[in-house]
Amino acid sequence: GQQVMQIPQYQHVQEGEDFTTYCNSSTTLSNIQWYKQRPGGHPVFLIQLVKSGEVKKQKRLTFQFGEAKKNSSLHITATQTTDVGTYFCAEGSGGSNYKLTFGKGTLLTVNP
Amino acid sequence: DADVTQTPRNRITKTGKRIMLECSQTKGHDRMYWYRQDPGLGLRLIYYSFDVKDINKGEISDGYSVSRQAQAKFSLSLESAIPNQTALYFCATSDQDEQYFGPGTRLTVT
Repeated sequence: GQQVMQIPQYQHVQEGEDFTTYCNSSTTLSNIQWYKQRPGGHPVFLIQLVKSGEVKKQKRLTFQFGEAKKNSSLHITATQTTDVGTYFCAEGSGGSNYKLTFGKGTLLTVNP
Repeated sequence: DADVTQTPRNRITKTGKRIMLECSQTKGHDRMYWYRQDPGLGLRLIYYSFDVKDINKGEISDGYSVSRQAQAKFSLSLESAIPNQTALYFCATSDQDEQYFGPGTRLTVT
């Protein structure tokens, strides 16, 4: 299946600093979803991006889908300790046979 | 998500044993999925099902089998467990694109 590469694997920040994780593909992505998994928890859906160049915001989180639909990013402004967790991107594909292919995730830790 | 439950939550078993992990959902979704999560490897799809009569292999189905007993129930079996199947297993459901995950089953094979 199509691979989505996610970087960085780990990111440690001081509370109040910004954070960005990137998801890249060598081929065009149909759409991209983002999930957050808190330590000891399960993945929780954040958002889906479908359109080329799409930008969506959720409070301090900004999600972007590249113009060529080969990359996506999640940016968190002024991190808080509640942002700690692993952020995954996932490509949805397969049409009627829809399934997700996940990136390996970025683990964010925040120093208070 | 309390609408998706998994049993057991933790299990330790020995090499060669057969084990079944169960998933139930009250969301009324047709689509159900089984993933395994290993540190640094993200989530990898084992099997998925779009209705009771539809079962599909994912990227890592070898050593696993599934049963879709009803719309609400999707079970994952390890016929003869081996140590490299030690992992965190998640069940998920969806009705369109967004997936809802269960709390996970932590399986250790010794």
